[in-house]
Amino acid sequence: QSALNQPASVSGSPGQSITISCTATSSDFGTFDFVSWYHQQPGKAPKLLIYEVTKRPSGVSNRFSGSKSGNMASLTISGLQAEDEGDYHCSSLGDSNTSLWVFGGGTKLTVL
Amino acid sequence: QVQLQESGPGLVKPSETLSLNCTVSGGSIISYFWSWIRQSPGKGLEWIGYMYYNKIPIYKSSLKSRLTISIDMSRNQISLQVRSVTAADTAVYFCVRTDGGTGSFDYWGLGTLVTVSS
Repeated sequence: QSALNQPASVSGSPGQSITISCTATSSDFGTFDFVSWYHQQPGKAPKLLIYEVTKRPSGVSNRFSGSKSGNMASLTISGLQAEDEGDYHCSSLGDSNTSLWVFGGGTKLTVL
Repeated sequence: QVQLQESGPGLVKPSETLSLNCTVSGGSIISYFWSWIRQSPGKGLEWIGYMYYNKIPIYKSSLKSRLTISIDMSRNQISLQVRSVTAADTAVYFCVRTDGGTGSFDYWGLGTLVTVSS
């Protein structure tokens, strides 16, 4: 059980928006300002989508956006496309005494 | 464009040592952190350790006694050793460039599957 909780699965239809949550269940994450999100398609390496809660790397579509409220970070995908299917992982800097970085369990997105 | 390529045996016997190399091309090892992240079959991602080229490696505490990460700057390679492996160490192992300032993993290798089995 990760200290970052994500829903196991979400789904949406093409063109819709969906939101994936990432909730910190311990106080190991401080102000929770170093949350990043990754998209992983089957058999491939994860790809960075969002860092520092809200920032997008160059080349990442503006359909992906990140936010945070308290101990919950969220990834919103607008205008869902078939290529958005796959697993989404959140990550945060954690407690250096146990694991410097922690990942959530991952959320499987199905585009209906 | 930075590229990372993991290499090493795909099969390791229980109690033996898993050894992987990661070759970095298109960029220098200097000035970045380099992590190893693994993913057990059907499971989530697990950060296991990282290193800066001239600093002591940092490991996940539960694995610290069995891990060694090292850097060979002459070969632009990062290496991982996991000692006394068990079936629980079966996973895809990713070599990942790590941005220490943003706390994010920005470049990933393709990953290599290591199976622990007799």
